[in-house]
Amino acid sequence: DIQLTQSPPSLSASVGDRVTIICRASQTITSYVAWYQQKAGKAPRLLIHSTLSLQSGVPSRFSGSGSGTDFTLTISNLQPEDIATYYCQQSYRSPQTFGQGTRLE
Amino acid sequence: QVQMQESGPGLVKPSETLSLTCLVSGDSLTYYYWTWIRQSPGKGLEWIGNIYYTGTTDYNPSLKSRVTMSVDTSKNQFSLKLSSVSSADTSVYFCARHASRLYFDYWGPGILVAVSS
Repeated sequence: DIQLTQSPPSLSASVGDRVTIICRASQTITSYVAWYQQKAGKAPRLLIHSTLSLQSGVPSRFSGSGSGTDFTLTISNLQPEDIATYYCQQSYRSPQTFGQGTRLE
Repeated sequence: QVQMQESGPGLVKPSETLSLTCLVSGDSLTYYYWTWIRQSPGKGLEWIGNIYYTGTTDYNPSLKSRVTMSVDTSKNQFSLKLSSVSSADTSVYFCARHASRLYFDYWGPGILVAVSS
């Protein structure tokens, strides 16, 4: 299975900050990465797919980049409603796998 | 707008079979892959498997021997069966749409299934 390692596991930030979350794959996954936001007690919400494509309805302060094995999710101008856990996911090879999550506090 | 809703028992006894159904509204099952994902309390997300509207399946090898998925296009729903459950299978189970087999764009709210005698 392809392992996805997210860093940091948790981070503390303030409103207005720029936040970057890293997802590193155990082998190349080209551009088949998606990012999800999960709030407590809720289902994950798709933010970005195919590395950098913003899902419809997602604020433009969310952006994605990367290629190969290293990918990033950036939240610019952090808002209070962005407090959540964020997961990356690869679809390059089955089984689909997720990172362990980054808790944003 | 696609909406999805999981249903099934919230409590299953050890060694028995967990059975869940996901009802899809707002779109047809046709031409999409449909997925089950679970999340153990306080832990991350685990992909269980996919089913195409034709019935073709792809299961996570770690669960393959115990998983069966099926689809009912007439009722616009798909189902999961997980046999020989143990406490390790206690999780929130989500159904989702697997768009282009690349990402999960619509999710159900999830259903907590506890395995306990």
